[in-house]
Amino acid sequence: DIQMTQSPSSLSASVGDRVSITCRASETVGTYLNWYQQKAGKAPKLLISAGSSLQGGVPSRFSGSGSGTDFTLTISSLQPEDFATYYCQQSYSSRRTFGQGTKVEIK
Amino acid sequence: QLQLHETGPGLVKPSETLSLTCNVSGGSININNYFWGWVRQPPGKGLEWIGNIYYSGSTYYNPSLKSRLTISLDTPKNQFSLKLTSVTASDSGVYYCTRYMGSSGGDDCWGQGTLVTVSS
Repeated sequence: DIQMTQSPSSLSASVGDRVSITCRASETVGTYLNWYQQKAGKAPKLLISAGSSLQGGVPSRFSGSGSGTDFTLTISSLQPEDFATYYCQQSYSSRRTFGQGTKVEIK
Repeated sequence: QLQLHETGPGLVKPSETLSLTCNVSGGSININNYFWGWVRQPPGKGLEWIGNIYYSGSTYYNPSLKSRLTISLDTPKNQFSLKLTSVTASDSGVYYCTRYMGSSGGDDCWGQGTLVTVSS
C-alpha cells in the first residue's frame, strides 16, 4: 500500500501567518492527492482535490501544489477558523490511504 | 442537497459483529460514477480508510480489514452498509460514511459520524 507521511505533525502559528504543510507519498500518486480539514468533534471537510483544485466555498487563502510524491498545502494568511487538523489522502490507488494528520494550533 | 447519516449500535462486544448503515437522502446511490465508502477514526487518532463500494457493487477494501469486512448496497432503501466481524477494542472509534465521484475523486460528502465502542 501507498504510505502517506505528513510534516510537521503539529505546528503553532499566529493569525495572519503563512503556513505550509507537506505530504510525501511512498510512491508516485500523480496528482491524485486530496486535502481535508477536521475541526474537533466534526467530520472532515474536503478542501482540495486533485492536488490543487479548490472545492467550492473554500476560501482562496487555501492552496495546494505538487505532483508525483511531494505535495504542499498552504494557508496564505491564517485565520482564527483555520485552527484544526489537516489530513492528506491519496486517491491514486483504489486502496486509499491518509496521512497521519497535522494539527495547527494557536501560538 | 445530499446528506449521509450513519446508524448502528454504539456498543459492541468483543468477538461479535459490528453492523452499520449509511442512509442517503437528497440523491440516489444508484448513479454512475459515484462511490460510497467508510472511514474510521480511533479516539484521539487519525483517519483510517476502511473501504468503498461502487454503484455497480464492486468493492475495495483496506487490506488490513479485508478478511473481516463486507460493504454492501441496498439500492431500494437508498442505503449502504458495513459489517465487520470478530471485533476487538482496536475497532473502537468514530465511523463515517462518505461519497466520492470518479475513481480518484476526493470524499466530498460525509456523514456526521457514529461512535462505536467495543467492550464487554
